[in-house]
Amino acid sequence: GENVEQHPSTLSVQEGDSAVIKCTYSDSASNYFPWYKQELGKRPQLIIDIRSNVGEKKDQRIAVTLNKTAKHFSLHITETQPEDSAVYFCAASILRQGGKLIFGQGTELSVKP
Amino acid sequence: DTEVTQTPKHLVMGMTNKKSLKCEQHMGHRAMYWYKQKAKKPPELMFVYSYEKLSINESVPSRFSPECPNSSLLNLHLHALQPEDSALYLCASSQVDMGLVVYNEQFFGPGTRLTVL
Repeated sequence: GENVEQHPSTLSVQEGDSAVIKCTYSDSASNYFPWYKQELGKRPQLIIDIRSNVGEKKDQRIAVTLNKTAKHFSLHITETQPEDSAVYFCAASILRQGGKLIFGQGTELSVKP
Repeated sequence: DTEVTQTPKHLVMGMTNKKSLKCEQHMGHRAMYWYKQKAKKPPELMFVYSYEKLSINESVPSRFSPECPNSSLLNLHLHALQPEDSALYLCASSQVDMGLVVYNEQFFGPGTRLTVL
């Protein structure tokens, strides 16, 4: 079955710096890759996603890149702000197969003012 | 309404109790999910309902019993739980495209924090 590995497990940056979180997946049939942000005590919130027919997607300060050949995808956050501090989860899924998301183990991002 | 709601927010129960968790969405989504999440871990899928039918059961113990009475409502019935079942229980929903059977992005509810004594 699918396995998703996420690195690093913790990441500390200064406000204004960029942050990059990387995930690799094992099942080449995976074709949908969402990223969720979860603040302490709150629900996971979808912040960006990408499908396998696209190599990159941007939304303001957030971007995701996908390398299908290498089976890895990354989250890039530019101009980080303290409110970006949270746990970030990547996930992989095969659309058409029931919506099962396989999550990475999470990255705890801390943005220091 | 663009949110998934869950009740109760917190629940404390003994190992002999029976309780239920409730999830509701009015976004017209036809797939609904139950996840279990332990502290600092990713959500773990428990069940998926598609068009009110159970489509995925991730080998969850029978002390957890899901129910989908209609397209907007999802319940999780709890009975004879163990202390290790204490966790945040998250509900999610997503749109399903008829014909293509494509499951799109999942939106999570705020969760029920369950403590089993």
